[in-house]
Amino acid sequence: DIQMTQSPSSLSASVGDRVSITCRASQDISIYLAWFQQKPGKAPKSLIYAASSLHSGVPSKFTGSGSGTDFTLTITSLQPEDFATYYCQQYHAYPPTFGGGTRVEI
Amino acid sequence: QLQLQESGPGLVKPSETLSLTCTVSGGSISDSSYYWGWIRQPPGKGLEWIGSIYYSGSTHYNPSLKSRVTISVDTSKNQFSLDLSSLTAADTAVYHCVRVMGAHSVDYWGQGTLVTVSS
Repeated sequence: DIQMTQSPSSLSASVGDRVSITCRASQDISIYLAWFQQKPGKAPKSLIYAASSLHSGVPSKFTGSGSGTDFTLTITSLQPEDFATYYCQQYHAYPPTFGGGTRVEI
Repeated sequence: QLQLQESGPGLVKPSETLSLTCTVSGGSISDSSYYWGWIRQPPGKGLEWIGSIYYSGSTHYNPSLKSRVTISVDTSKNQFSLDLSSLTAADTAVYHCVRVMGAHSVDYWGQGTLVTVSS
């Protein structure tokens, strides 16, 4: 299976900050990379697919980039509702696999 | 707005079979654009893809679970289901049902249901 490694595992930020989260694949996955957000007790929310395409309704403050093995999720102008855990997922090879998550804390 | 809701027992015994159902509302499970799947997350651990099903009944299973997993669909009820057999404590997890776009990318998630395997 393809291993997905996220860094950092957690980060502290303030309202209004810009943060970036990195996801690295153990082999080339082209652009078959998704990002999603999870808050405690809530359904996860899909943010990005195909490395940089926003799902419907996702604000443009979320930006995805990268291809091959290295990917980045950038969140600008952090707001209280953005404090959550973020995961990446590859779907280039079956089975799809996930990163370990990055917790964004105040 | 599409919604997915998991239902099933919160506690099951070791060696038994877990059965969960996902009810889809706000959309049709027979939409030919999508598969429907299950993902789980053990407490404090990472996410694991279980498998997915098309409205026609075609399935894809994670090889690590394939021998124990059955996913089925009931288009008349707009539901799909997960059966996982020969349970152990390692199967304790929050189980999410999801809608899957082409190439196994998820766009909608259910909130998840915690299943504990314990005697």
